Amino acid sequence: AQSVSQHNHHVILSEAASLELGCNYSYGGTVNLFWYVQYPGQHLQLLLKYFSGDPLVKGIKGFEAEFIKSKFSFNLRKPSVQWSDTAEYFCAAYSSSGTYKYIFGTGTRLKVLA
Amino acid sequence: NAGVTQTPKFQVLKTGQSMTLQCAQDMNHNSMYWYRQDPGMGLRLIYYSASEGTTDKGEVPNGYNVSRLNKREFSLRLESAAPSQTSVYFCATVLYEQYFGPGTRLTVT
Repeated sequence: AQSVSQHNHHVILSEAASLELGCNYSYGGTVNLFWYVQYPGQHLQLLLKYFSGDPLVKGIKGFEAEFIKSKFSFNLRKPSVQWSDTAEYFCAAYSSSGTYKYIFGTGTRLKVLA
Repeated sequence: NAGVTQTPKFQVLKTGQSMTLQCAQDMNHNSMYWYRQDPGMGLRLIYYSASEGTTDKGEVPNGYNVSRLNKREFSLRLESAAPSQTSVYFCATVLYEQYFGPGTRLTVT
């Protein structure tokens, strides 16, 4: 069955620490991958996306993610987090060869201490 | 452009009452989705519409109905609300990535 797994449910970091959030997917066929961010009290916004090409994808606000096909992973990274990065982060997958369904991971709640 | 709009922003219902959540988009996208978001469970797809005139069940359709009135509007109806439907509801349009509305916070007592 298609699925997206995020293994870190809660992460607490100090400002300037490095961040890596894990995301693994289980999908057949061609898959498009996304990271979304939800700041407190707001709706989800796109951070970055991978469709094809360079597996290292750069997004907004200094975030990047690496697609590793052999590991079915799409981990999110940021070298130095800021207090304003406190939010919930969702990994998502979309199969362009299947039905029009996205699957979201359960989210990782990040708290950055000032 | 407003993007994706949802009404109402907040709603409190008693068990058994009905209501319709409205969603409209001005992005001219074919696909529209309804999700519910609950703590620790991420976003779960309730229904989606790949194009005007079509709707399909998602992961958690029970207790809900939808109408794709036209290309712009996709409404979600709760016929007989239950406390288990207390949640935050998001509408989204899809063109490769998803564009979310601001959400409706629904409480069923």
